[in-house]
Amino acid sequence: DQQVKQNSPSLSVQEGRISILNCDYTNSMFDYFLWYKKYPAEGPTFLISISSIKDKNEDGRFTVFLNKSAKHLSLHIVPSQPGDSAVYFCAAPGSSNTGKLIFGQGTTLQVKP
Amino acid sequence: DAGVIQSPRHEVTEMGQEVTLRCKPISGHDYLFWYRQTMMRGLELLIYFNNNVPIDDSGMPEDRFSAKMPNASFSTLKIQPSEPRDSAVYFCASGPPGLAGNEQFFGPGTRLTVL
Repeated sequence: DQQVKQNSPSLSVQEGRISILNCDYTNSMFDYFLWYKKYPAEGPTFLISISSIKDKNEDGRFTVFLNKSAKHLSLHIVPSQPGDSAVYFCAAPGSSNTGKLIFGQGTTLQVKP
Repeated sequence: DAGVIQSPRHEVTEMGQEVTLRCKPISGHDYLFWYRQTMMRGLELLIYFNNNVPIDDSGMPEDRFSAKMPNASFSTLKIQPSEPRDSAVYFCASGPPGLAGNEQFFGPGTRLTVL
């Protein structure tokens, strides 16, 4: 049972354009979401998060949007840069205060110069 | 700050052999997580510890897998006997007390190949 799903395994965009990475979840009790970024041969690194009390969180070129009624979140990167090429994972805590994160499958983003 | 350290970075072994993966968490962190990444299943949590105590091992695939955390600065994940389907990248991650923001800090991973 995949509680956090990223249905697009890959995405390719042109430098300077917007990248939109999508994530769906099934558990309406999830109250916090995170995005991680992973370069080849490295571990994932934290990128941005959002609490369910918000519908948007912005950090520089990165913005995460949350639609609770649709159980959907998205990560927008504007403008996209070649250095953004990586695998992006969305994640949600399995349950409150346990430390357990449930990750999606990941989406590989390629930003072409 | 050294970050999470994992060793070895690459391991190639033959089916049936014992494999031991090692992790040193960030100093001061009291959560430690072991994950496995495969193409089919993405990032799966295998087991995690809090204050050196295993809290949830429901992700450990079978009895061939075991994990220990003898002290706050060291953990091992052991596979005995190893099988080709265990081939994956194994990540260790650590988290600060209280897991502020739920953020976890990952090591570079160990790429395991079982022939």
